Amino acid sequence: AQRVTQPEKLLSVFKGAPVELKCNYSYSGSPELFWYVQYSRQRLQLLLRHISRESIKGFTADLNKGETSFHLKKPFAQEEDSAMYYCALSLQGAQKLVFGQGTRLTINP
Amino acid sequence: SAVISQKPSRDICQRGTSLTIQCQVDSQVTMMFWYRQQPGQSLTLIATANQGSEATYESGFVIDKFPISRPNLTFSTLTVSNMSPEDSSIYLCSARRRTNSPDTQYFGPGTRLTVL
Repeated sequence: AQRVTQPEKLLSVFKGAPVELKCNYSYSGSPELFWYVQYSRQRLQLLLRHISRESIKGFTADLNKGETSFHLKKPFAQEEDSAMYYCALSLQGAQKLVFGQGTRLTINP
Repeated sequence: SAVISQKPSRDICQRGTSLTIQCQVDSQVTMMFWYRQQPGQSLTLIATANQGSEATYESGFVIDKFPISRPNLTFSTLTVSNMSPEDSSIYLCSARRRTNSPDTQYFGPGTRLTVL
């Protein structure tokens, strides 16, 4: 069955420190992976997707098919990065998303 | 991008009643979805709203409990029927424009439902 696992429900780091939010997936097909973010009092929005191979707000994520992982990284955390982060898997041909449990990231000043 | 609005933004309802949530997209989209986010939980897909035909429900969700309409390419409704306190959740509408190529899925602001 398709599954997305985010092992950390809560993650707290200091401003300026590196941050890594872990995401592992289970899917037998060709995965399409996303990171969504929800800032306080805002709607869920796309942060980045693996096919774009882009850096958004300093965040990057690399798909590692061998380890079935799609970890989100940022070298220097900022206070405005505090938010809820969801890793999501799009099932090939189905167009729908399977979400992980989410990680609440808190950046301490 | 696609801007999605939902009505109502929140409601408090009595057990046994039904609530219909509306979702409006500012442009035509091919795919619309309804998700549920229970307190402290992640998002779970309820169903895919199909234009002109019956919605496609995920395992654990049935049409009698969550009837869905999608009369056109920009609008959908989700009804939560015969509500119980366990239905207290945030219900989110989402949409994506294309089916055959990678595309972003956009989300509405959600409807926070509390059932007493």
